[in-house]
Amino acid sequence: EVQLVESGGGLVQPGGSLRLSCAASGFTFTAHWMTWVRQAPGKGLEWVANIKQDGSRTHYVDSVKGRFTISRDNAKNSLYLQMNSLRAEDTAVYYCASNTDYRFDYWGQGTLVTVSS
Amino acid sequence: QSALTQPASVSGSPGQSITISCTGTNSDVGGYNYVSWYQQHPGKAPKLMIYDVSSRPSGVSNRFSGSKSGNTASLTISGLQAEDEADYYCTSYTRSSTWAFGGGTKVTVL
Repeated sequence: EVQLVESGGGLVQPGGSLRLSCAASGFTFTAHWMTWVRQAPGKGLEWVANIKQDGSRTHYVDSVKGRFTISRDNAKNSLYLQMNSLRAEDTAVYYCASNTDYRFDYWGQGTLVTVSS
Repeated sequence: QSALTQPASVSGSPGQSITISCTGTNSDVGGYNYVSWYQQHPGKAPKLMIYDVSSRPSGVSNRFSGSKSGNTASLTISGLQAEDEADYYCTSYTRSSTWAFGGGTKVTVL
């Protein structure tokens, strides 16, 4: 059974940092691009970033460029999102998702990040 | 990186068919056959319903179908059921090698 389990969310002050993790199991992690998608409270989904199988390529939504870094550890079947200089508008549930070709086929349950003083 | 345009809400009676539109540009929806659709029930993670415009993953009901014409993709739900009440999101790969999501459509079963 495919499982994606996010962790690392919580309350952080504006300007602070947080590192999210996503533990993957039940599929060949190294065969898939991986993605972070977020959802602000009561709002729609927003694609945040993705990373190639070997970590050699990454892409980001403009609003997080220079502040967020996506990475992965294939030996640990884990995906990460380092979030720096956090803003109130980064408050959201963050989901990790696996990519097969051009679709997000499996999703975790999400972890809530709240940026507030 | 602009969002795709979806209607905020669509409703229908049980057994009816409804269609949700998703409008983009020739830099995303119109430029690629990489439109997918996701269903999200309250408090739950999104679930893949349609990919590559019109393909259905294993296990998804054949009451769900997708299509595309120009810069607009569509999701049709036929034989509407109470369990179909949820939010639906389209997404498309873009020329910038990123992904754009639609704003979401709330489907209500009357």
